[in-house]
Amino acid sequence: DAGITQSPRHKVTETGTPVTLRCHQTENHRYMYWYRQDPGHGLRLIHYSYGVKDTDKGEVSDGYSVSRSKTEDFLLTLESATSSQTSVYFCAITWENTGELFFGEGSRLTVL
Amino acid sequence: AQSVTQLGSHVSVSEGALVLLRCNYSSSVPPYLFWYVQYPNQGLQLLLKYTTGATLVKGINGFEAEFKKSETSFHLTKPSAHMSDAVEYFCAALSGGSYIPTFGRGTSLIVHP
Repeated sequence: DAGITQSPRHKVTETGTPVTLRCHQTENHRYMYWYRQDPGHGLRLIHYSYGVKDTDKGEVSDGYSVSRSKTEDFLLTLESATSSQTSVYFCAITWENTGELFFGEGSRLTVL
Repeated sequence: AQSVTQLGSHVSVSEGALVLLRCNYSSSVPPYLFWYVQYPNQGLQLLLKYTTGATLVKGINGFEAEFKKSETSFHLTKPSAHMSDAVEYFCAALSGGSYIPTFGRGTSLIVHP
């Protein structure tokens, strides 16, 4: 258990509204990631962070922004949610020595 | 760029039969390789990993995988399938010096009684 919690775990929102998902870790890992999981697409990287205020885009970053003002928190924001952003979102951290990822339990977002 | 291919989005076996889930990577330099398992409504969990050393890696729940450099493969096996193995499996590769893994699209294992 790498001490990762995601919130909210479930959210239903309407098209055009802003949404922020939070990932919190308790072990001071440098790297944090946001993925989305959709049937037929597997896991796709949205954004990642390699330190406080250090973030970079993944393969599906359009429509998403992130912030990391503290080591323990990595926020994912949908400025104006669309139905195509209905998905399950996973936060993860990595153990740098081995490269393995530890995942949160996911946040299921439905955009109506 | 690194790519990971999992052959078959669904693999079906009978209970007690051999499980074989295929994974191939594209890098010419052997990366770190991982298999993750995902139970319903949960995040992925590490099943096993290859970094260096012994090419046959043993994981939890009787699974193992063999790194074959000549075939650029890291196939996952289990001698005897159990109903509880019927979940989704992901292969991932991590190139040296990188902290951004590449995932395959996942394989859903179906176990028939």
